[in-house]
Amino acid sequence: ELKVEQNPLFLSMQEGKNYTIYCNYSTTSDRLYWYRQDPGKSLESLFVLLSNGAVKQEGRLMASLDTKARLSTLHITAAVHDLSATYFCAVGPQGGSEKLVFGKGTKLTVNP
Amino acid sequence: NAGVMQNPRHLVRRRGQEARLRCSPMKGHSHVYWYRQLPEEGLKFMVYLQKENIIDESGMPKERFSAEFPKEGPSILRIQQVVRGDSAAYFCASSPLGGLGADTQYFGPGTRLTVL
Repeated sequence: ELKVEQNPLFLSMQEGKNYTIYCNYSTTSDRLYWYRQDPGKSLESLFVLLSNGAVKQEGRLMASLDTKARLSTLHITAAVHDLSATYFCAVGPQGGSEKLVFGKGTKLTVNP
Repeated sequence: NAGVMQNPRHLVRRRGQEARLRCSPMKGHSHVYWYRQLPEEGLKFMVYLQKENIIDESGMPKERFSAEFPKEGPSILRIQQVVRGDSAAYFCASSPLGGLGADTQYFGPGTRLTVL
């Protein structure tokens, strides 16, 4: 059974600092997603990673995927308050299943 | 292009009542997924549907829960005889193609169900 673990679950950081959120998964997968969720809101798609070594960047966020290590990272550069949200990684099991298995999320708070 | 629409946004039911949650996918999307989110938790997959077909219901509780996606109209998640443990946010997502293993799922705003 596919399991997805994120860490840390809570992250408080100051504006201007860098940090990385980690997402480990337990079985082979062929796709990994990062989503952002603001309190009481839906999930916003950030990145889709489909191959080993994939790296994608959008603004201050950069996501990467290492399928051999079964690890994805979401790196935050020079954080700003607007990045405060909960970030989820989600993994699609290999073999054609369409369902996504989500991590518990990382609640990020960026302090001025 | 309107996003995924869900209604109601908030639903309050008493124990034993029925809850009906509706989801209209994005225009051009024919694949619908339902997920449940408990407080401070990630989303848990419930069911995957295409028009008139349930493709994967491996995450659905065996009793009281059912889902459909008729030829016309929205997808509906029905919970019969609700219990307090059913209180959660229920999210619907849609994707355009499915079956390729690479589609992004686009999420609706969710229905927050409270069972008194």
